[in-house]
Amino acid sequence: SQQGEEDPQALSIQEGENATMNCSYKTSINNLQWYRQNSGRGLVHLILIRSNEREKHSGRLRVTLDTSKKSSSLLITASRAADTASYFCATGDMNYGGATNKLIFGTGTLLAVQP
Amino acid sequence: DTAVSQTPKYLVTQMGNDKSIKCEQNLGHDTMYWYKQDSKKFLKIMFSYNNKELIINETVPNRFSPKSPDKAHLNLHINSLELGDSAVYFCASSPWGEEEKLFFGSGTQLSVL
Repeated sequence: SQQGEEDPQALSIQEGENATMNCSYKTSINNLQWYRQNSGRGLVHLILIRSNEREKHSGRLRVTLDTSKKSSSLLITASRAADTASYFCATGDMNYGGATNKLIFGTGTLLAVQP
Repeated sequence: DTAVSQTPKYLVTQMGNDKSIKCEQNLGHDTMYWYKQDSKKFLKIMFSYNNKELIINETVPNRFSPKSPDKAHLNLHINSLELGDSAVYFCASSPWGEEEKLFFGSGTQLSVL
């Protein structure tokens, strides 16, 4: 299966704590993205990191990418109750670009932030 | 003013029926997609269209037929519905030059009884 895997499957933390989620993938990639999905809603793009980048920040989000290990991590600092959602990584296969782009999604991490 | 809108949000139907899901985006994007999310939250691409032209057909049964009347619309028609078709179907679009970044609709939860 091309599907990526995320770890942990579920994570429960207190408000104010940091949350770290990991993603492993199998193919060679152009980029890796993280998406958030609130219950009953569509996915929302959070951040994209390209294969030649190692770390990227956006607000309270920090993403790292290790292409040698085919893995990425998403760190959410100073978590809030509103961060409660499922988080998915998605990889863009380097053999498919432009209009032929097809993202391979991970299995998701369910994050619960307790107020 | 929803960017990617799909209807209906919920669809409950009997096995063997034919149903359609509609999707419209007002973002001016050239590429649109259908993704299927199963009960384990596994999300997989079904189709993509670029400017009304089919680009990706990810070995989906031919009971599923997408139609793109213009680049802002991508509808999904499903014939002879089966129990295994029960899932959440997401429409998405992406802009030219940034096709890797998807904008998703809120999903259609299909339940086949």
